[in-house]
Amino acid sequence: DTGVSQDPRHKITKRGQNVTFRCDPISEHNRLYWYRQTLGQGPEFLTYFQNEAQLEKSRLLSDRFSAERPKGSFSTLEIQRTEQGDSAMYLCASSLLPGVGNTEAFFGQGTRLTVV
Amino acid sequence: AQKVTQAQTEISVVEKEDVTLDCVYETRDTTYYLFWYKQPPSGELVFLIRRNSFDEQNEISGRYSWNFQKSTSSFNFTITASQVVDSAVYFCALRGAGSYQLTFGKGTKLSVIP
Repeated sequence: DTGVSQDPRHKITKRGQNVTFRCDPISEHNRLYWYRQTLGQGPEFLTYFQNEAQLEKSRLLSDRFSAERPKGSFSTLEIQRTEQGDSAMYLCASSLLPGVGNTEAFFGQGTRLTVV
Repeated sequence: AQKVTQAQTEISVVEKEDVTLDCVYETRDTTYYLFWYKQPPSGELVFLIRRNSFDEQNEISGRYSWNFQKSTSSFNFTITASQVVDSAVYFCALRGAGSYQLTFGKGTKLSVIP
């Protein structure tokens, strides 16, 4: 297992188009997180899953955003009707459950979205 | 509410110099965790260290050392004998014990000049 992987690494799309990103977490990790990072800022929490259940969504996650984690394995993040303000790095992370072991989150390399 | 402040936006040092990155945090949680991550130009956030609030022992790992002071709510990171490969953006982050999300600072961009 080589860690958290994200696909694609880069995505350029026209305003108004839909985009979907994929995240494959570390295999034994129950928790999966999505963060967004804009230029010059630290990552901001978007949502997280425990197994297949989406347990929390940030106010940053507008109705145009939807995330899924079918079967508690990989996750997808879809943005509908993209806007220029959606341009950012989208980071996925995964971790073990508290009490199972160290609970630090391990991050993927991110998907950089540019909306033109 | 939780908050992490990294007052240094950018730091430049000459190779082999020591450098300290500052991190100050705010939380109402009595138990919490502090983290440092490194983000090289490739974009991936690389986990460096986790420190529990009830463990104030400082830690050293090779050229890296961390100074956790609960009294001043600080968790500073020192790189000794810096190298060009240390050039990256470094983030300090905080998570409450009952929480699942990390609160990040804005990061400090470190440039190590050969």
